[in-house]
Amino acid sequence: QVQLQESGPGLVKPSETLSLTCAVSGYSIRSGYYWVWVRQPPGKGLEWIGSIYSSGSTYYNPSLKSRVTISVDTSRNQFSLKVSSVTAADTAVYYCARERWFERDNYMDVWGKGTTVTVSS
Amino acid sequence: SSELTQDPAVSVALGQTVRITCQGDSLRSYYASWYQQKPGQAPILVIYGKNNRPSGIPDRFSGSSSGNIVSLTITGAQAEDEADYYCNSRDSSGNHRVFGGGTKLTVL
Repeated sequence: QVQLQESGPGLVKPSETLSLTCAVSGYSIRSGYYWVWVRQPPGKGLEWIGSIYSSGSTYYNPSLKSRVTISVDTSRNQFSLKVSSVTAADTAVYYCARERWFERDNYMDVWGKGTTVTVSS
Repeated sequence: SSELTQDPAVSVALGQTVRITCQGDSLRSYYASWYQQKPGQAPILVIYGKNNRPSGIPDRFSGSSSGNIVSLTITGAQAEDEADYYCNSRDSSGNHRVFGGGTKLTVL
């Protein structure tokens, strides 16, 4: 059974860098799939942040690209998210997920439970 | 602004059929996936591809597509189906994912 678990600080100061990790169990990241970060501000909808393949190739939301870095650590079977220069607008529940990708189809079939990050001084 | 458009809210009487739609130009080229999210919980995948359900999703959930509109249909809605529903697909570049704004389903 594949499981994903987010971890990281729940409180980040404005202008600093938000760092989260998603630990994957029950499946080897190096075996394939895309690995995704999605966030949800309080009371709002889902927002795709970015995706990384097991090889390390990445795609980022154009609206966040200048501040976001996603990396993968196959030796630890985990992937990570960094968002720099955070503001209150980055306050959200952050989810990691596994994504299957095909020529015309993509879907996120396994999700972590999410972790709440608040940006405040 | 999202490139996938959903109605903000839809309601359905218990046991009746409801259709939730998602509209976007990229849907002419790519399939959409649908996610159900209940308060305080992570989203779960309910429909993907042409009309596929993951294991454990009731067969009252189905998907369809016509032109630039994809639909999630719940046939015989149950009280436990009350949730937010999000569509997801790609933007016009084909590489970036995008979510619709979400539809809040109320079962009356």
